[in-house]
Amino acid sequence: GESVGLHLPTLSVQEGDNSIINCAYSNSASDYFIWYKQESGKGPQFIIDIRSNMDKRQGQRVTVLLNKTVKHLSLQIAATQPGDSAVYFCAENLDSSYKLIFGSGTRLLVRP
Amino acid sequence: DTEVTQTPKHLVMGMTNKKSLKCEQHMGHRAMYWYKQKAKKPPELMFVYSYEKLSINESVPSRFSPECPNSSLLNLHLHALQPEDSALYLCASSQGGVNEKLFFGSGTQLSVL
Repeated sequence: GESVGLHLPTLSVQEGDNSIINCAYSNSASDYFIWYKQESGKGPQFIIDIRSNMDKRQGQRVTVLLNKTVKHLSLQIAATQPGDSAVYFCAENLDSSYKLIFGSGTRLLVRP
Repeated sequence: DTEVTQTPKHLVMGMTNKKSLKCEQHMGHRAMYWYKQKAKKPPELMFVYSYEKLSINESVPSRFSPECPNSSLLNLHLHALQPEDSALYLCASSQGGVNEKLFFGSGTQLSVL
């Protein structure tokens, strides 16, 4: 299930299940969105991106959905694996600038 | 080569010290970024260089001084830091236009005593 603790919200899933990580973004003028994965001791790693003229994009085992009406972004991971355990950040690009602003993050824990 | 390399990986400094963080990429990218990340928080944008010119300064205190000697290198000069500046400092690069994905280094973990 999903819980909000003192720090990062955490999503705990069983290995093999699908994971859905949600993100609310702030600026209706944002036109480019990215999902990053960050493992302990490492920098953020690019997963998938989507532009505002799309509402869905698929990669290998991952799908990003964009709902501009409610300013909501989600990342779906199919057949979640132990290696998917990490912190996931959504990020939005403000007003076609160089400003890439990160959301607060969700920790994904995969139970064996 | 698809890496952004940051040195040092760890740095401990006193409040009166002067130190520099270094970042290098050989992907031919023309935009480079500094982010600051506190524990359990998202990365926060500090500076952006585009084609070796400072494009964005997010109201960062002057004790942080960025430098972009050429298109492959990015430095962050540190002077008279405070303990609250202790954080992970991340460098990133992108091809050069807006609305592009950023490639991040592993960061420098900075502790200010």
